[in-house]
Amino acid sequence: DSGVTQTPKHLITATGQRVTLRCSPRSGDLSVYWYQQSLDQGLQFLIQYYNGEERAKGNILERFSAQQFPDLHSELNLSSLELGDSALYFCASSPPGTGNEKLFFGSGTQLSVL
Amino acid sequence: AQSVAQPEDQVNVAEGNPLTVKCTYSVSGNPYLFWYVQYPNRGLQFLLKYITGDNLVKGSYGFEAEFNKSQTSFHLKKPSALVSDSALYFCAVRDMDSSYKLIFGSGTRLLVRP
Repeated sequence: DSGVTQTPKHLITATGQRVTLRCSPRSGDLSVYWYQQSLDQGLQFLIQYYNGEERAKGNILERFSAQQFPDLHSELNLSSLELGDSALYFCASSPPGTGNEKLFFGSGTQLSVL
Repeated sequence: AQSVAQPEDQVNVAEGNPLTVKCTYSVSGNPYLFWYVQYPNRGLQFLLKYITGDNLVKGSYGFEAEFNKSQTSFHLKKPSALVSDSALYFCAVRDMDSSYKLIFGSGTRLLVRP
């Protein structure tokens, strides 16, 4: 168990809908990273937060947004969902002062858009 | 732009034999390189990293990786494979333009047969 908790594990929804994925980092970790894993795109970095502030942005669509709350949990919001958004979404955290040299990943949320 | 390539989609090896999972990188400057493993229905787990120093890096579960600057490679190795090593292996490099994100390769599936 990595200590990173993601909910829900599975999510099935329809095109055009909006969903929220939740991540709780390991105790003491201030950074949260979101990744998308799909068969055609592989593992893609979406966005990173550090102690509530956005630190880096990757290949995140404008329909997607994220935030990190004062208790350090993070949420990834996906709206106007399309079939191609179906993927495994991972959250990861890293200990303070280590940058991203060692990431601890959650088990992911499997999103299926029908 | 930084990138890593994993030229093999799958590697098959018999239990007890040595294994190698290949990775080549392309970066400007000195690379920060990583290997992660993903077991079925699980998030990625950190195996090892190369930042600087010895070209042979030892990691978790008996794995090691050899950094070769002239060949721009960072191959993952293990002297004696176990059936339980069967998993998906990802090579990654730190994005030197944005040190907060890791760029992952496409992954190599390792299958160790009894």
